[in-house]
Amino acid sequence: KNEVEQSPQNLTAQEGEFITINCSYSVGISALHWLQQHPGGGIVSLFMLSSGKKKHGRLIATINIQEKHSSLHITASHPRDSAVYICAVRFLGDGGKLIFGTGTRLQVFP
Amino acid sequence: DTGVSQDPRHKITKRGQNVTFRCDPISEHNRLYWYRQTLGQGPEFLTYFQNEAQLEKSRLLSDRFSAERPKGSFSTLEIQRTEQGDSAMYLCASSPQGNEQFFGPGTRLTVL
Repeated sequence: KNEVEQSPQNLTAQEGEFITINCSYSVGISALHWLQQHPGGGIVSLFMLSSGKKKHGRLIATINIQEKHSSLHITASHPRDSAVYICAVRFLGDGGKLIFGTGTRLQVFP
Repeated sequence: DTGVSQDPRHKITKRGQNVTFRCDPISEHNRLYWYRQTLGQGPEFLTYFQNEAQLEKSRLLSDRFSAERPKGSFSTLEIQRTEQGDSAMYLCASSPQGNEQFFGPGTRLTVL
């Protein structure tokens, strides 16, 4: 069965802390996405990756294809990073649709 | 604005009524996806189109749900005889084939 699991479900941090959110999936993928969702529902795509590592500002996403695992890191976290972070994958041979994890709710306190 | 738009943003309806949502994708994107998200959960796939062809439908999409993309541009999602369990956020996304998906703001449906 094509499944995506995220951990932790909830995460609180003090401003400035280094944050890591993990995502694992069950079978081979063509791409993995990290998404950010703020209260009110809007979803923003942060990264799409199929191998290696990508960096954008304070955000870093890595993926290990052999271990079927990805991580999203936030360096020097800030209260404005508070949001739900969702991992979503496109499984091989599964068309273009995304299968989503349940999300990680991050709260960063000043 | 060249982003994905959805209309309406909020819909409150009574059980048993029909509702229709619209999604306007980014103009050059040939793929359009519908997802549904309930509170505290990640989105779930409903259906997707490549141009005007509906390529896949989830088992979640009961016979009360129908989606169209008649000219390969905007899409509509209709729910007939709504039930309280249909209350959710309905998200639309578009992409160039096989690439990053761009999401609309969603339509929040409340069925009373």
